[in-house]
Amino acid sequence: DAKTTQPPSMDCAEGRAANLPCNHSTISGNEYVYWYRQIHSQGPQYIIHGLKNNETNEMASLIITEDRKSSTLILPHATLRDTAVYYCIVRVGLFGAAGNKLTFGGGTRVLVKP
Amino acid sequence: EAQVTQNPRYLITVTGKKLTVTCSQNMNHEYMSWYRQDPGLGLRQIYYSMNVEVTDKGDVPEGYKVSRKEKRNFPLILESPSPNQTSLYFCASSLKGFGRNTEAFFGQGTRLTVV
Repeated sequence: DAKTTQPPSMDCAEGRAANLPCNHSTISGNEYVYWYRQIHSQGPQYIIHGLKNNETNEMASLIITEDRKSSTLILPHATLRDTAVYYCIVRVGLFGAAGNKLTFGGGTRVLVKP
Repeated sequence: EAQVTQNPRYLITVTGKKLTVTCSQNMNHEYMSWYRQDPGLGLRQIYYSMNVEVTDKGDVPEGYKVSRKEKRNFPLILESPSPNQTSLYFCASSLKGFGRNTEAFFGQGTRLTVV
């Protein structure tokens, strides 16, 4: 799996958009980009994933650059409940044993301030 | 409601006393996995299962056992717990594999303390 690099922490004002960057310069053509978050020792929560195209769901938007070497997770209107550690994970979509796990790095600790 | 349920949420036990942490999912998922989370070390996979009666070791399997007799259940067994197994444990499930264009669901965690 490609290695990802995320800033260790960032602050965001409540009600503003939060833009979380992730670099994955060694990503290969069949690797998906996933985003999860973990709110204070709770179980990680899936946010969104994509392969090439930008994606949007009710939680966030995922913008993947054309060369796929980086991506940005956008929380459009951050709330205090969005304070969490956000993980960017790159993973090949393989069958069988190779598809057995997600590898979580250090993530970005996001603090949403009033 | 789709969910992964772990029990207990909190457990304090003594060294050497066998324990089981249960995990159950109601989504008919094939893949299930156990992770432990420790400060500075992040989430590390202990064991995983690709289907009933199919299990294999993850990155840190020593001191743990698992079984998958039914699709919905994936218990984690510590035959002789030691203090270095004090950790926060998460069970996870996924329909077809944790990276295969699908999301993973995680339980709420079990905080285990071994004294």
